[in-house]
Amino acid sequence: DAGVTQSPTHLIKTRGQQVTLRCSPKSGHDTVSWYQQALGQGPQFIFQYYEEEERQRGNFPDRFSGHQFPNYSSELNVNALLLGDSALYLCASSLGLGRTYEQYFGPGTRLTVT
Amino acid sequence: DAKTTQPTSMDCAEGRAANLPCNHSTISGNEYVYWYRQIHSQGPQYIIHGLKNNETNEMASLIITEDRKSSTLILPHATLRDTAVYYCIVRVGTGTASKLTFGTGTRLQVTL
Repeated sequence: DAGVTQSPTHLIKTRGQQVTLRCSPKSGHDTVSWYQQALGQGPQFIFQYYEEEERQRGNFPDRFSGHQFPNYSSELNVNALLLGDSALYLCASSLGLGRTYEQYFGPGTRLTVT
Repeated sequence: DAKTTQPTSMDCAEGRAANLPCNHSTISGNEYVYWYRQIHSQGPQYIIHGLKNNETNEMASLIITEDRKSSTLILPHATLRDTAVYYCIVRVGTGTASKLTFGTGTRLQVTL
């Protein structure tokens, strides 16, 4: 049973560019959440997708957007990249509407903005 | 979600019990205590959660004080592989919300 997978593993972009990160949830899970983790900090919640809709959003600007597909996989898009967007981006999956307490995290995508 | 306070770092000898404290003095009656850990270069991993009773699973035990204002995660026989950052999180455990609010956690170093 595959867990949460993310791609790519690492990514280097230039300021002002756009980036798309991808996540496949654990088998059977229908909810995907995205987190940003800066160096030395705990993960910060970006947003959550369930039934292809954004259900919750953290304190992140509109440059951060996402999408969930019918197969429950998800994308995180970041436009107009800033140096401060350099971080580890984590995807977590779960069963929606609080049906499970546990979130399963993927290994993350390391984004470096130069 | 209630705010939590954890020590920045702790050391533990291999084979000994690791006791990681967490203060959550503003916890509400419907908020659960969760523990996750993050081993270097990996995503966070769920350990255990509880409401007011003590809980135990194959990984750890969770002791919650009677007033629920603090808790302790216990790793009974720490190994080198338990070296990680441990996060104590308080959140509403039922309903639609599944957002986790992480602090900076406790960095546990297990040594020989």
